[in-house]
Amino acid sequence: LAKTTQPISMDSYEGQEVNITCSHNNIATNDYITWYQQFPSQGPRFIIQGYKTKVTNEVASLFIPADRKSSTLSLPRVSLSDTAVYYCLVGDVSSFQKLVFGTGTRLLVSP
Amino acid sequence: GAVVSQHPSRVICKSGTSVKIECRSLDFQATTMFWYRQFPKQSLMLMATSNEGSKATYEQGVEKDKFLINHASLTLSTLTVTSAHPEDSSFYICSARDHTGSGVNTEAFFGQGTRLTVV
Repeated sequence: LAKTTQPISMDSYEGQEVNITCSHNNIATNDYITWYQQFPSQGPRFIIQGYKTKVTNEVASLFIPADRKSSTLSLPRVSLSDTAVYYCLVGDVSSFQKLVFGTGTRLLVSP
Repeated sequence: GAVVSQHPSRVICKSGTSVKIECRSLDFQATTMFWYRQFPKQSLMLMATSNEGSKATYEQGVEKDKFLINHASLTLSTLTVTSAHPEDSSFYICSARDHTGSGVNTEAFFGQGTRLTVV
């Protein structure tokens, strides 16, 4: 299982774009990169998933360079409700491989 | 989208008693489910992998006789905390993947979690 490294915490203000980078130097060929969001006393919620280049959905974008050793979650124009912990996970999601969580990044959005 | 439901969301029990937590996949079949525990301000820690029709696989350091897991059907896994003690107080979360779709890649769905307080 590829180990991930993220900043422990980040601060931002409403309306700003937030970019959270995750390092995963030993990512395997079959591994995908998945980001989850967790609010206090709730289970994690899927945000976005990708394998290479760029993926965009209605809530975020995921940028993955060619070597795939890192990835960046981009949240456009954050609001107070985006205050949460964000986890980057790497694994072969086509199998029954277990998901191991790293430390996550605690994002605080202020007015 | 696929939903995983946990019950109860909150439970308080006395020391020495046992508590059962249910995890259900509501609109898909899950041959494999995962159980996590999370302490305040910490990340999720994987406890065990629940396999339908067979024994669960526990992570190192997790007592299998303490945390009993039963995955009797394709939509239900249960975690029983036996002889609970205050140090077992934590947030327990289950997860399941929907592998029945046509896509190669599937996301994992998480339950809403169960807050266990042992007094």
